[in-house]
Amino acid sequence: DAGVTQSPTHLIKTRGQQVTLRCSPKSGHDTVSWYQQALGQGPQFIFQYYEEEERQRGNFPDRFSGHQFPNYSSELNVNALLLGDSALYLCASSLGSGFGYEQYFGPGTRLTVT
Amino acid sequence: AQSVAQPEDQVNVAEGNPLTVKCTYSVSGNPYLFWYVQYPNRGLQFLLKYITGDNLVKGSYGFEAEFNKSQTSFHLKKPSALVSDSALYFCAVSRGGGNKLTFGGGTRVLVKP
Repeated sequence: DAGVTQSPTHLIKTRGQQVTLRCSPKSGHDTVSWYQQALGQGPQFIFQYYEEEERQRGNFPDRFSGHQFPNYSSELNVNALLLGDSALYLCASSLGSGFGYEQYFGPGTRLTVT
Repeated sequence: AQSVAQPEDQVNVAEGNPLTVKCTYSVSGNPYLFWYVQYPNRGLQFLLKYITGDNLVKGSYGFEAEFNKSQTSFHLKKPSALVSDSALYFCAVSRGGGNKLTFGGGTRVLVKP
């Protein structure tokens, strides 16, 4: 049973560029959340998708956007990249978006902005 | 707003000794509490959760955590630490409106042989 997968593993971009990160949830999961983990910090919630709609959003600017496809996979898009966007981006999936459902995390995509 | 504090940046323990990683939380209403572990260059692995019921929760790899409502704490414990337990540990809370997680800053555990 495949867990959460993310692509690519690493990515290097230049300031001002745009990037798309991809996530496939654990089999049977229908909810995908994205987190940003800066070096030396805990992950911060970006947003969550359920039934192809953004259900919750953290304190991130509109430069961060996402999408969920009918097969529950998801993309995270970041426009106009800043140096401060350099981080590990984690995707997590869960069986539903209700209280207490544990989230299963992928290995992450390491984004470096130069 | 909800928040989590992990007061220790690093915990050092000898192999075979008890391990405790501290976590306190702030949330209105009843919290849902989680512990995750992160190994180098890896994502987070779920260890255990507290939703309701017994204050002592048992999880994966011999870990357990004790929920203390009066002290708003959820400390992670392991009776006998292994070198392979060396990793970064995160406490997280969710409350209301779905299962988004708010994480603490993490505690690095170093178990020495």
